[in-house]
Amino acid sequence: DVKVTQSSRYLVKRTGEKVFLECVQDMDHENMFWYRQDPGLGLRLIYFSYDVKMKEKGDIPEGYSVSREKKERFSLILESASTNQTSMYLCASSLFVLAVYTGELFFGEGSRLTVL
Amino acid sequence: DAKTTQPTSMDCAEGRAANLPCNHSTISGNEYVYWYRQIHSQGPQYIIHGLKNNETNEMASLIITEDRKSSTLILPHATLRDTAVYYCIVRVGALGGATNKLIFGTGTLLAVQP
Repeated sequence: DVKVTQSSRYLVKRTGEKVFLECVQDMDHENMFWYRQDPGLGLRLIYFSYDVKMKEKGDIPEGYSVSREKKERFSLILESASTNQTSMYLCASSLFVLAVYTGELFFGEGSRLTVL
Repeated sequence: DAKTTQPTSMDCAEGRAANLPCNHSTISGNEYVYWYRQIHSQGPQYIIHGLKNNETNEMASLIITEDRKSSTLILPHATLRDTAVYYCIVRVGALGGATNKLIFGTGTLLAVQP
């Protein structure tokens, strides 16, 4: 089975801190994604990457950056955390070829970030 | 990508079929319909997808109307573990990194009652 692992289930940070959220997948998938999920707003795409060192902005990239130095790892970075970034963050991966035809994303369990 | 409309919530009795509707009246010819679900405190899980024909797998059936403007996800024998938020998504099935993203709405909360 595909496994997408997010480094922390729960984090509490202070305003202005730099925050790293790590995601690792074990199935050699080309595509990786970061979403955030908030009540009433559903899942919103922050950034995605379709290859090592490649990244594209999603719908809400402001305040975030990403890093994809290795195929299996996709990191989300909050350079200076703010209270409005308190949210559930979900990482996902998909196989490039099959994703074109199946759209099957594999999600991690999520990281709940609280910024005080 | 076409916008989808789903009811906010639905109830279903355990053991009965759950029929979850989705409207996608602006869908275009090359857009697929996908369904995911999210059980509380977990990441979303892929269920099924289709383009024109009805589809069935071990989890569910997907019925797409002939004009493709709406679809229904059917869970044939709902159990308490099927209580979740169900997302209907339409997406272009084309090549290219920019199109390999799914836009999730707010979904339907299905509550299976004992």
